Amino acid sequence: GAGVSQSPRYKVAKRGQDVALRCDPISGHVSLFWYQQALGQGPEFLTYFQNEAQLDKSGLPSDRFFAERPEGSVSTLKIQRTQQEDSAVYLCASSLGTVRNTEAFFGQGTRLTVV
Amino acid sequence: GQQVMQIPQYQHVQEGEDFTTYCNSSTTLSNIQWYKQRPGGHPVFLIQLVKSGEVKKQKRLTFQFGEAKKNSSLHITATQTTDVGTYFCAEINSGTYKYIFGTGTRLKVLA
Repeated sequence: GAGVSQSPRYKVAKRGQDVALRCDPISGHVSLFWYQQALGQGPEFLTYFQNEAQLDKSGLPSDRFFAERPEGSVSTLKIQRTQQEDSAVYLCASSLGTVRNTEAFFGQGTRLTVV
Repeated sequence: GQQVMQIPQYQHVQEGEDFTTYCNSSTTLSNIQWYKQRPGGHPVFLIQLVKSGEVKKQKRLTFQFGEAKKNSSLHITATQTTDVGTYFCAEINSGTYKYIFGTGTRLKVLA
């Protein structure tokens, strides 16, 4: 596609429910990032993939968060047993090359509300 | 979580006035990027700065990287209502894969 696509755009989950957020990066982009953005805050890094390899997952807040990119394209961020503090916009970004030298293209995000 | 300090947090200006946001880091950066996020939108890349003391211009926007590569600024000349949004810097430390985003400066332009 023309840009980074994320689905669903909005998700309401009951506390304790598992959710899966999908990211379709720009075709051919090597790098893929997940960020969490709370209201009024800047995006906070969650994890980074280079092709199918998850090279950095230091930003994942707990072991309830899990991300994968099995074929080096589409990625899924899974949150198990959601809590209210997980409510945020989850942004996916991709870039053509290695992270230091290329711009990141962001998707529209998935707004997760845990009730 | 780890974030980069940006000042000011908010700025309201009259249309036609200038605007500047500053980004400060405690560590030396390999490079820095700037993004703009419109209300309800997603971050959109503006520019990347790599060299010490580098200055880049995009029409009314001027970006600067400090000599010590620890700070950066974005200056907008003669703001327009289309400049409304939150401006973020994002730093990349050597040896990591993370973009660490700043706290952002929310700009409101009054017509």
